[in-house]
Amino acid sequence: GQQLNQSPQSMFIQEGEDVSMNCTSSSIFNTWLWYKQDPGEGPVLLIALYKAGELTSNGRLTAQFGITRKDSFLNISASIPSDVGIYFCAGQGRGSQGNLIFGKGTKLSVKP
Amino acid sequence: GAGVSQTPSNKVTEKGKYVELRCDPISGHTALYWYRQSLGQGPEFLIYFQGTGAADDSGLPNDRFFAVRPEGSVSTLKIQRTERGDSAVYLCASSLLGGSTDTQYFGPGTRLTVL
Repeated sequence: GQQLNQSPQSMFIQEGEDVSMNCTSSSIFNTWLWYKQDPGEGPVLLIALYKAGELTSNGRLTAQFGITRKDSFLNISASIPSDVGIYFCAGQGRGSQGNLIFGKGTKLSVKP
Repeated sequence: GAGVSQTPSNKVTEKGKYVELRCDPISGHTALYWYRQSLGQGPEFLIYFQGTGAADDSGLPNDRFFAVRPEGSVSTLKIQRTERGDSAVYLCASSLLGGSTDTQYFGPGTRLTVL
């Protein structure tokens, strides 16, 4: 079946740093989504991408839908403490009725 | 406004027992999804309802898992003869119409522990 490879698995940030994470797929997706999940909560949608090459921003977050339709990245600029959490990429393949395929997540933590 | 709610928030059961997990979607949302999230993993799709009918149940792992949505609103995920490997967080999501461009809103999940 379709799988998503998300990297890095985890990263430590210092306040003010920029952060970048990405996802690749073995097959084409028609939609790429980025979610954030806090402990004890369900994932919350951050950015949705529907067209190859699309670059979309949401505040300090920027995401792009790769032109091959097999990858996407998420950048967070000038990170703040509340950015801590787990970020998931998710995709929907051709013919999907809406069910999402998720990556394994990137855990963002604050540097001690 | 009210989001997706799930009950119970935590469920501990013994191997071999039957459990029911409930999902209350956002009012008016016709599409409802169940996902399962194991520790350290992303959510995995289980089943999708459009209205009262299961439009896609291809993610259910075996016939011990069953879900219903009899009136097109509340849904119940039922697991028979639970196994330790069923331990996970079970997430429910709803969207207004379903389909690939409709935002899915997730509930907080039910953490199931099978001893």
